Amino acid sequence: DAKTTQPPSMDCAEGRAANLPCNHSTISGNEYVYWYRQIHSQGPQYIIHGLKNNETNEMASLIITEDRKSSTLILPHATLRDTAVYYCIVQGAGNMLTFGGGTRLMVKP
Amino acid sequence: NAGVTQTPKFQVLKTGQSMTLQCAQDMNHEYMSWYRQDPGMGLRLIHYSVGAGITDQGEVPNGYNVSRSTTEDFPLRLLSAAPSQTSVYFCASSYRDPLGFSSYEQYFGPGTRLTVT
Repeated sequence: DAKTTQPPSMDCAEGRAANLPCNHSTISGNEYVYWYRQIHSQGPQYIIHGLKNNETNEMASLIITEDRKSSTLILPHATLRDTAVYYCIVQGAGNMLTFGGGTRLMVKP
Repeated sequence: NAGVTQTPKFQVLKTGQSMTLQCAQDMNHEYMSWYRQDPGMGLRLIHYSVGAGITDQGEVPNGYNVSRSTTEDFPLRLLSAAPSQTSVYFCASSYRDPLGFSSYEQYFGPGTRLTVT
């Protein structure tokens, strides 16, 4: 599976959009981009995933560049409860997830 | 649905003791897996299973055994606990495309916090 690169930490003001970047320059054609988050020491929680098109659900939006080498997770109106570690994962055939270090997002009042 | 449940929530073992961490899911998921998470680190895959009777090793399998006799349950056994196995253990499950090309979100349990002294 392709490796991902994320900034180790980011801050965001409450109520503003949080834009979390992820580089996956070695992604191959059948690999999906997944985002999970882990709040404090709870189990990871699925947020969103995509292959090549931009995706949106009730939690977030996922923007994937045309060449698929990078993506951005957007939390449109961050709240204090969105403070968490966010993991960008590239997953190929099969179900195995390979977690990197993630981005620690701190939402501040 | 209860989702993915794990027991116990906390456990303290002495070096050399054995124990089984329990994981169960009620979503009829074929795929189940075990991860460990050390302080300040991401999750690392220990073992996984793509269906009853089928298991395979992940990234860090040494010191752990698994079996999958039913779709619902996927226990993780520590054979002889060592301080290096002090960690938080997460179980996860998801659907699985038999052809292996579809993708499905994974559901994680709340974790078992294990300390080995």
